[in-house]
Amino acid sequence: DAGVTQSPTHLIKTRGQHVTLRCSPISGHKSVSWYQQVLGQGPQFIFQYYEKEERGRGNFPDRFSARQFPNYSSELNVNALLLGDSALYLCASSLEGLTNQPQHFGDGTRLSIL
Amino acid sequence: KQEVTQIPAALSVPEGENLVLNCSFTDSAIYNLQWFRQDPGKGLTSLLLIQSSQREQTSGRLNASLDKSSGRSTLYIAASQPGDSATYLCADPGGSQGNLIFGKGTKLSVKP
Repeated sequence: DAGVTQSPTHLIKTRGQHVTLRCSPISGHKSVSWYQQVLGQGPQFIFQYYEKEERGRGNFPDRFSARQFPNYSSELNVNALLLGDSALYLCASSLEGLTNQPQHFGDGTRLSIL
Repeated sequence: KQEVTQIPAALSVPEGENLVLNCSFTDSAIYNLQWFRQDPGKGLTSLLLIQSSQREQTSGRLNASLDKSSGRSTLYIAASQPGDSATYLCADPGGSQGNLIFGKGTKLSVKP
């Protein structure tokens, strides 16, 4: 079975542009979460979605938004890109996003802002 | 605010050595703890999820323990190999939004 898949793998943008990152969860998983990981740090939580509804949001500005589709795939959108948005963006899926369920991560999208 | 700390930040050992990676957490009500491996520039690979009621969980050469009372978890790697070289992260699912809270990781280097 396929794991969590993310696209694109790498992306280069300039300041002020916007970007859309995509994630497909493991088949049967209904919850998707997004994390940002800057170099040398652990991942930081951005959003969690379950059954197309936002279940949680981390401490990120409104330039960050996301949505989940009926097939449980998800998009993360970032507007007005800043240099500080350069990071590895990770998507994770789990069955229902419950605490006792393991989360499985994709390989991430490496976003570079010039 | 819950926090997760991993010390040391980096560790270098010769091949064949047994080693222990440490993870400390402030969440006194921790439900479980998940250990991940991250290769350079890659995503996270789930290694073990240990429930607070289990105390230990094993997979191959890996053994994770969880002591809720002391706020500590350890990941024991037996007979280390160069292929074990990676960054190891631990995570507490006790974030206020139901999210994972990560440590900064321990970068392990196993020398042939």
